[in-house]
Amino acid sequence: DVKVTQSSRYLVKRTGEKVFLECVQDMDHENMFWYRQDPGLGLRLIYFSYDVKMKEKGDIPEGYSVSREKKERFSLILESASTNQTSMYLCASSYLVRTGGQGAFGSSYNEQFFGPGTRLTVL
Amino acid sequence: AQKITQTQPGMFVQEKEAVTLDCTYDTSDPSYGLFWYKQPSSGEMIFLIYQGSYDQQNATEGRYSLNFQKARKSANLVISASQLGDSAMYFCAMRGRAGGTSYGKLTFGQGTILTVHP
Repeated sequence: DVKVTQSSRYLVKRTGEKVFLECVQDMDHENMFWYRQDPGLGLRLIYFSYDVKMKEKGDIPEGYSVSREKKERFSLILESASTNQTSMYLCASSYLVRTGGQGAFGSSYNEQFFGPGTRLTVL
Repeated sequence: AQKITQTQPGMFVQEKEAVTLDCTYDTSDPSYGLFWYKQPSSGEMIFLIYQGSYDQQNATEGRYSLNFQKARKSANLVISASQLGDSAMYFCAMRGRAGGTSYGKLTFGQGTILTVHP
């Protein structure tokens, strides 16, 4: 079974603190993702990584950074936590799919596997 | 840009009845994939079903089926014979293509909370 674990289920931090959220997967997936989930907004992608030391911005990267020094581990960093970063943070991983054409991509499966989430409160 | 819209913030269904959760999407990419995930109150995201844009038949997985209408850009989830354990948040998501390599990024809808009554 694929397992994605996150370092904490609940976290309370103070404004201005540096916060590290850790995510580890055990399926040798190339891709790893960080999302935040807010009511009425669904999940929004913060950052993702498709290889060690590689990172790409998602839709809402402001105020966050990431680190991927090992394939199995992807860290989300809040350099200076603010109250508007109070949210549920979800990590996910998947295989990297290389496609040779539209048909191959359209039928490729490759779902993301999610961790249990970290509910972060910034006071 | 890709967009997923779930217009039903909440849905109610009687146990053992069928329910349809709506999902519409917008993309200019001819090749894409559509996913449904379930999130119980415990918070974990559970993959339910997948539909590829070139798949000829609607996807089915046990009590879950996906009513895929490509021309209407809709991908509704149908749950047959609802159970109390189906009470959860349900998300529709879409994956598009980035050049020749899929990084597997997903765009999610806002979610629909389903409540199953006994």
